Amino acid sequence: QLQLQESGPGLVEPSETLSLTCTVSGDSISNNNYYWGWIRQSPGKGLEWIGSLYSGYTFYNPSLKSRVTISADTSKNHFSLKATSVTAADTAMYFCARQRCTSIYCPFDYWGQGTQVIVSS
Amino acid sequence: QSALTQPPSASGSPGQSVTISCTGTSSDIGDYNYVSWYQHHPGKAPKLMIYEVKKRPSGVPDRFSASKSGNTASLTVSGLQAEDDAVYYCSSYSGSSDNNYVVFGGGTKLTVL
Repeated sequence: QLQLQESGPGLVEPSETLSLTCTVSGDSISNNNYYWGWIRQSPGKGLEWIGSLYSGYTFYNPSLKSRVTISADTSKNHFSLKATSVTAADTAMYFCARQRCTSIYCPFDYWGQGTQVIVSS
Repeated sequence: QSALTQPPSASGSPGQSVTISCTGTSSDIGDYNYVSWYQHHPGKAPKLMIYEVKKRPSGVPDRFSASKSGNTASLTVSGLQAEDDAVYYCSSYSGSSDNNYVVFGGGTKLTVL
């Protein structure tokens, strides 16, 4: 059974860099059979796609593209999210998820339970 | 990049049917059959309920159905059950000459009365 688990600091100071990791078990992210993505949910708001990763290629939400980087460490079977210059607007529950095929339009069929990140001094 | 528009809330009694709408534009829902719906119980991982407008993944009850007309997609839950009480999100692929991305709706809280 595929499982995804997000991890990272729950508190980040404004203007600093947010770093999260998604550890995948039950499948290898290097198989290149799927896209792997990050989604967030800000307080009182809906879901927001941050970006996705596939075989070394990355795809980002245009509104976040200048500040985010998604990368993979296949030796550890995990992929990561970094967001620079964070503000209170980046306070959110962050989810990692798998897209069920090899295109940006593929639905997210497996999700982690999410990790809460608060941006505050 | 505007989010898809969903009503904030919907409700129905057990056994009834409820339909949730999701309105986009001609750049997303109107132009592509890549609409998905997700069920989210707080504290749990979101669950894929519908993909490619009306397809159900294995294990999703056929009480859940969906469709699309123009720029609006809809999710119908028939024979409401207590466990259907959750937040439902729609999403769509959005494509243009210089931007290709995924857009979500703001979510609809479905209450089973």
